[in-house]
Amino acid sequence: AQTVTQSQPEMSVQEAETVTLSCTYDTSESDYYLFWYKQPPSRQMILVIRQEAYKQQNATENRFSVNFQKAAKSFSLKISDSQLGDAAMYFCAYLVGNMLTFGGGTRLMVKP
Amino acid sequence: NAGVTQTPKFQVLKTGQSMTLQCAQDMNHNSMYWYRQDPGMGLRLIYYSASEGTTDKGEVPNGYNVSRLNKREFSLRLESAAPSQTSVYFCASSGLAGEIETQYFGPGTRLLVL
Repeated sequence: AQTVTQSQPEMSVQEAETVTLSCTYDTSESDYYLFWYKQPPSRQMILVIRQEAYKQQNATENRFSVNFQKAAKSFSLKISDSQLGDAAMYFCAYLVGNMLTFGGGTRLMVKP
Repeated sequence: NAGVTQTPKFQVLKTGQSMTLQCAQDMNHNSMYWYRQDPGMGLRLIYYSASEGTTDKGEVPNGYNVSRLNKREFSLRLESAAPSQTSVYFCASSGLAGEIETQYFGPGTRLLVL
Protein backbone atom coordinates (compact mmCIF):
# COMPACT_ATOMS: atom_id res chain seq x y z
CA ALA A 1 0.00 0.00 0.00
CA GLN A 2 1.09 3.51 -0.73
CA THR A 3 1.48 5.82 2.24
CA VAL A 4 2.30 9.49 2.59
CA THR A 5 3.61 10.81 5.90
CA GLN A 6 3.74 14.41 7.03
CA SER A 7 5.54 14.31 10.35
CA GLN A 8 4.85 17.92 11.38
CA PRO A 9 1.22 18.41 12.47
CA GLU A 10 1.86 22.15 12.97
CA MET A 11 4.50 24.64 11.95
CA SER A 12 4.81 28.36 12.47
CA VAL A 13 6.87 30.96 10.66
CA GLN A 14 7.45 34.66 10.99
CA GLU A 15 6.17 36.79 8.16
CA ALA A 16 8.86 37.25 5.46
CA GLU A 17 10.85 34.26 6.75
CA THR A 18 11.33 30.85 5.12
CA VAL A 19 9.74 27.59 6.24
CA THR A 20 10.09 23.99 5.09
CA LEU A 21 7.34 21.40 5.36
CA SER A 22 8.34 17.75 5.31
CA CYS A 23 6.80 14.85 3.42
CA THR A 24 7.91 11.26 2.94
CA TYR A 25 6.17 8.56 0.96
CA ASP A 26 6.43 4.85 0.53
CA THR A 27 6.05 3.20 -2.84
CA SER A 28 7.43 0.46 -5.03
CA GLU A 29 6.37 2.27 -8.19
CA SER A 30 8.91 3.94 -10.45
CA ASP A 31 6.50 6.17 -12.37
CA TYR A 32 4.58 8.60 -10.18
CA TYR A 33 3.92 12.25 -9.46
CA LEU A 34 4.02 14.31 -6.30
CA PHE A 35 1.93 17.32 -5.34
CA TRP A 36 1.50 19.88 -2.61
CA TYR A 37 -2.00 21.24 -2.06
CA LYS A 38 -2.98 24.16 0.18
CA GLN A 39 -6.28 24.18 2.06
CA PRO A 40 -7.18 27.57 3.61
CA PRO A 41 -10.08 27.95 6.06
CA SER A 42 -12.45 28.15 3.09
CA ARG A 43 -11.64 24.40 2.64
CA GLN A 44 -10.93 24.83 -1.06
CA MET A 45 -8.07 22.55 -2.18
CA ILE A 46 -5.59 24.66 -4.13
CA LEU A 47 -2.73 23.17 -6.11
CA VAL A 48 0.58 24.71 -5.01
CA ILE A 49 3.25 22.77 -6.89
CA ARG A 50 3.85 19.42 -8.58
CA GLN A 51 6.80 17.23 -9.51
CA GLU A 52 7.36 14.36 -11.91
CA ALA A 53 9.32 11.55 -10.28
CA TYR A 54 11.43 11.01 -13.39
CA LYS A 55 12.69 14.61 -13.32
CA GLN A 56 15.68 15.30 -11.12
CA GLN A 57 15.26 19.06 -11.28
CA ASN A 58 13.27 20.42 -8.36
CA ALA A 59 10.04 22.21 -9.26
CA THR A 60 9.63 25.91 -8.46
CA GLU A 61 6.54 28.13 -8.52
CA ASN A 62 7.29 31.71 -7.47
CA ARG A 63 7.93 31.61 -3.68
CA PHE A 64 7.30 27.86 -3.49
CA SER A 65 9.91 25.24 -4.25
CA VAL A 66 10.43 21.58 -3.49
CA ASN A 67 13.36 19.46 -2.47
CA PHE A 68 12.75 16.10 -4.13
CA GLN A 69 15.00 13.29 -2.97
CA LYS A 70 13.84 10.21 -4.89
CA ALA A 71 16.16 7.70 -3.23
CA ALA A 72 15.07 8.88 0.21
CA LYS A 73 11.41 9.13 -0.93
CA SER A 74 11.26 12.65 0.42
CA PHE A 75 9.37 15.63 -1.03
CA SER A 76 9.61 18.74 1.13
CA LEU A 77 8.02 22.12 0.39
CA LYS A 78 9.93 25.36 0.97
CA ILE A 79 7.99 28.60 1.25
CA SER A 80 10.14 31.70 0.95
CA ASP A 81 9.19 35.22 2.06
CA SER A 82 6.17 33.84 3.94
CA GLN A 83 3.01 35.91 3.78
CA LEU A 84 -0.05 36.03 6.02
CA GLY A 85 -2.07 34.53 3.19
CA ASP A 86 0.12 31.40 3.28
CA ALA A 87 -1.50 30.35 6.56
CA ALA A 88 -3.39 27.13 5.78
CA MET A 89 -3.28 23.35 5.94
CA TYR A 90 -0.79 21.91 3.49
CA PHE A 91 -1.19 18.41 2.11
CA CYS A 92 1.42 16.38 0.33
CA ALA A 93 0.01 13.88 -2.18
CA TYR A 94 1.32 11.08 -4.34
CA LEU A 95 -0.23 10.02 -7.65
CA VAL A 96 0.19 6.74 -9.45
CA GLY A 97 -2.30 5.88 -12.15
CA ASN A 98 -5.62 7.36 -11.04
CA MET A 99 -4.95 7.00 -7.32
CA LEU A 100 -4.04 10.19 -5.44
CA THR A 101 -2.97 9.43 -1.85
CA PHE A 102 -2.78 12.25 0.67
CA GLY A 103 -0.73 12.74 3.79
CA GLY A 104 -2.36 13.85 7.03
CA GLY A 105 -1.49 17.51 6.55
CA THR A 106 0.59 20.22 8.24
CA ARG A 107 -1.05 23.32 9.65
CA LEU A 108 1.07 26.36 8.88
CA MET A 109 0.67 29.47 11.00
CA VAL A 110 2.22 32.75 9.89
CA LYS A 111 3.06 35.30 12.59
CA PRO A 112 2.97 39.00 11.68
CA ASN B 1 -15.08 28.80 -16.69
CA ALA B 2 -16.35 27.59 -13.29
CA GLY B 3 -13.98 24.60 -12.97
CA VAL B 4 -15.50 22.00 -10.62
CA THR B 5 -18.81 22.79 -8.94
CA GLN B 6 -20.60 20.89 -6.20
CA THR B 7 -24.10 21.02 -4.77
CA PRO B 8 -25.23 21.35 -2.07
CA LYS B 9 -22.67 23.24 0.00
CA PHE B 10 -24.06 21.94 3.27
CA GLN B 11 -26.58 19.27 4.20
CA VAL B 12 -27.98 17.80 7.40
CA LEU B 13 -29.45 14.29 7.24
CA LYS B 14 -31.00 11.94 9.75
CA THR B 15 -29.68 8.41 10.06
CA GLY B 16 -31.21 6.24 7.35
CA GLN B 17 -32.05 9.06 4.95
CA SER B 18 -30.69 9.08 1.45
CA MET B 19 -29.24 11.85 -0.64
CA THR B 20 -27.21 12.53 -3.76
CA LEU B 21 -24.27 14.89 -3.98
CA GLN B 22 -23.87 16.47 -7.37
CA CYS B 23 -20.65 17.39 -9.14
CA ALA B 24 -20.00 18.96 -12.52
CA GLN B 25 -16.88 20.09 -14.35
CA ASP B 26 -16.48 22.25 -17.41
CA MET B 27 -12.83 21.50 -18.17
CA ASN B 28 -13.57 18.61 -20.57
CA HIS B 29 -11.71 16.20 -18.28
CA ASN B 30 -12.15 12.47 -18.70
CA SER B 31 -11.51 11.47 -15.08
CA MET B 32 -13.55 12.44 -12.04
CA TYR B 33 -13.28 11.55 -8.36
CA TRP B 34 -15.09 11.63 -5.04
CA TYR B 35 -13.16 12.05 -1.78
CA ARG B 36 -14.09 12.45 1.84
CA GLN B 37 -12.14 14.45 4.40
CA ASP B 38 -12.56 13.75 8.09
CA PRO B 39 -11.37 16.19 10.77
CA GLY B 40 -7.59 16.46 10.98
CA MET B 41 -7.03 14.12 8.06
CA GLY B 42 -6.16 14.22 4.42
CA LEU B 43 -8.61 13.30 1.69
CA ARG B 44 -9.47 9.65 1.05
CA LEU B 45 -10.74 8.38 -2.28
CA ILE B 46 -14.26 6.94 -2.29
CA TYR B 47 -14.85 6.26 -5.99
CA TYR B 48 -13.48 7.44 -9.27
CA SER B 49 -14.44 7.40 -12.92
CA ALA B 50 -11.62 7.21 -15.43
CA SER B 51 -13.96 7.92 -18.33
CA GLU B 52 -17.63 8.28 -19.14
CA GLY B 53 -19.38 4.97 -18.46
CA THR B 54 -16.80 3.56 -16.05
CA THR B 55 -16.50 3.70 -12.29
CA ASP B 56 -14.11 2.08 -9.82
CA LYS B 57 -13.83 1.78 -6.06
CA GLY B 58 -11.29 3.75 -4.13
CA GLU B 59 -10.03 3.34 -0.59
CA VAL B 60 -13.35 3.81 1.28
CA PRO B 61 -16.30 2.86 -0.99
CA ASN B 62 -18.60 1.16 1.53
CA GLY B 63 -21.95 2.88 1.96
CA TYR B 64 -21.70 4.86 -1.28
CA ASN B 65 -22.72 4.53 -4.91
CA VAL B 66 -21.75 6.69 -7.85
CA SER B 67 -23.06 7.51 -11.30
CA ARG B 68 -21.12 9.03 -14.15
CA LEU B 69 -24.08 10.65 -15.85
CA ASN B 70 -22.08 12.06 -18.76
CA LYS B 71 -18.62 13.50 -19.28
CA ARG B 72 -19.40 16.57 -17.18
CA GLU B 73 -21.28 15.09 -14.22
CA PHE B 74 -20.39 12.58 -11.51
CA SER B 75 -22.78 12.06 -8.61
CA LEU B 76 -22.31 10.39 -5.23
CA ARG B 77 -25.25 8.73 -3.51
CA LEU B 78 -25.71 7.74 0.11
CA GLU B 79 -28.57 5.21 0.18
CA SER B 80 -28.89 5.01 3.96
CA ALA B 81 -26.83 7.66 5.72
CA ALA B 82 -24.95 6.80 8.93
CA PRO B 83 -23.29 9.13 11.46
CA SER B 84 -19.91 7.73 10.35
CA GLN B 85 -20.54 9.40 7.00
CA THR B 86 -20.43 12.85 8.58
CA SER B 87 -17.60 14.43 6.65
CA VAL B 88 -16.65 16.97 4.02
CA TYR B 89 -16.97 15.58 0.51
CA PHE B 90 -14.85 16.80 -2.36
CA CYS B 91 -15.29 16.15 -6.02
CA ALA B 92 -12.34 16.48 -8.39
CA SER B 93 -11.60 16.13 -12.05
CA SER B 94 -8.24 15.58 -13.69
CA GLY B 95 -6.56 16.42 -16.92
CA LEU B 96 -3.14 17.09 -18.31
CA ALA B 97 -1.57 20.32 -17.14
CA GLY B 98 1.67 20.48 -19.06
CA GLU B 99 2.96 16.93 -18.83
CA ILE B 100 1.32 16.04 -15.53
CA GLU B 101 -2.13 14.59 -14.90
CA THR B 102 -3.40 17.03 -12.26
CA GLN B 103 -6.53 16.93 -10.13
CA TYR B 104 -8.62 20.04 -9.58
CA PHE B 105 -11.06 20.15 -6.71
CA GLY B 106 -14.53 21.53 -6.12
CA PRO B 107 -15.35 23.64 -3.04
CA GLY B 108 -16.64 20.70 -0.99
CA THR B 109 -19.94 19.66 0.57
CA ARG B 110 -20.27 19.53 4.35
CA LEU B 111 -22.51 16.65 5.38
CA LEU B 112 -23.77 16.15 8.90
CA VAL B 113 -25.60 12.91 9.71
CA LEU B 114 -27.49 12.95 13.00
